[in-house]
Amino acid sequence: GQQLNQSPQSMFIQEGEDVSMNCTSSSIFNTWLWYKQDPGEGPVLLIALYKAGELTSNGRLTAQFGITRKDSFLNISASIPSDVGIYFCAGRAVTGANSKLTFGKGITLSVRP
Amino acid sequence: NAGVMQNPRHLVRRRGQEARLRCSPMKGHSHVYWYRQLPEEGLKFMVYLQKENIIDESGMPKERFSAEFPKEGPSILRIQQVVRGDSAAYFCASSPLAGTQETQYFGPGTRLLVL
Repeated sequence: GQQLNQSPQSMFIQEGEDVSMNCTSSSIFNTWLWYKQDPGEGPVLLIALYKAGELTSNGRLTAQFGITRKDSFLNISASIPSDVGIYFCAGRAVTGANSKLTFGKGITLSVRP
Repeated sequence: NAGVMQNPRHLVRRRGQEARLRCSPMKGHSHVYWYRQLPEEGLKFMVYLQKENIIDESGMPKERFSAEFPKEGPSILRIQQVVRGDSAAYFCASSPLAGTQETQYFGPGTRLLVL
């Protein structure tokens, strides 16, 4: 089945630093989404990407949809303590009416003050 | 706040009992998805429903699990005769449409613990 790969499993950065996260796949996706999940909560949508090559920003977050449609990255600039959490990439390959999302395993981000 | 609502937030069941998880989509959303998350894992798709129809249940176990989204009321994920391996967080998501620019918004989840 389709799989999304996120690594490393954990990242540790200093407050104020930038961080970049990658997500890769062996198959093509037509939509890429980035979510953040806090402990005990559901995933919250950060950025949605719908076209190959698309670069989208949301405040300090920037994400790009790879031109091969097999990868995406998320960049967080000037990190702050509340950026701590688990970051998931998710992809959607629409075939007919099937709109399920495939998720990566997530990257746990820790920010040292 | 008209976000996706799920209840209960936490559910404890003994082996063999039934678990019923409820999801109310965002206002105006007619597409509902259920996902399961094991500890330190990503979310795994289970089932996709529109009002009164199951569109894709390819991720849902054939036995003991069922889902519905009636014309009125919330979507229900039902697990019969629960086993310890059913312990997980179950998330519901909703979207206003299915297609190229669909975005799924998630609820807070139900954490099921089977003793």
